[in-house]
Amino acid sequence: GAGVSQSPRYKVAKRGQDVALRCDPISGHVSLFWYQQALGQGPEFLTYFQNEAQLDKSGLPSDRFFAERPEGSVSTLKIQRTQQEDSAVYLCASGQGRDYGYTFGSGTRLTVV
Amino acid sequence: GDSVTQMEGPVTLSEEAFLTINCTYTATGYPSLFWYVQYPGEGLQLLLKATKADDKGSNKGFEATYRKETTSFHLEKGSVQVSDSAVYFCALLNDYKLSFGAGTTVTVRA
Repeated sequence: GAGVSQSPRYKVAKRGQDVALRCDPISGHVSLFWYQQALGQGPEFLTYFQNEAQLDKSGLPSDRFFAERPEGSVSTLKIQRTQQEDSAVYLCASGQGRDYGYTFGSGTRLTVV
Repeated sequence: GDSVTQMEGPVTLSEEAFLTINCTYTATGYPSLFWYVQYPGEGLQLLLKATKADDKGSNKGFEATYRKETTSFHLEKGSVQVSDSAVYFCALLNDYKLSFGAGTTVTVRA
């Protein structure tokens, strides 16, 4: 597709539920990132993939967060046993290389009630 | 670690006013610098970038110059329009990781 596509656009989860957020990057983009953006804040890095390899997961806030990109294209961010502090917009970005910048999706707004 | 500090908002301006949003950074090595914009209800969009010292990025009337000596990348526009109302984020790219500032909300009144 023309851009980075994320689904669902909105997700409401009850505390303790598991959620899965999907990202379809731009075709051919090797790099893929997940960011978390709390209300009124800038995006915070969660994890980075190069093709199917997860090269950096240092930003994942706890072991309840898990990301995968098994075939080097679509990625899924999974959050287990959601907590209220997980409420945020989750952004996915893809790119071809550092000098080009990264293209962001519209995000998934997760609300944990 | 790398960090970005940008001017706190919100900023409210009249149409045709001059806009400056200050951004300073702390980083090792030679980062690239970016401004992203987020319009209401939309995702982050790349506004402009600069990849080395003294480079000037420009787009849609916005400009920013990469100043290594002052570790700054201030965003400027000479005459804003109502359609420029948005949240602006300064960001640096070191290796593969983008680090963002907290964002500055700009509202332009007709």
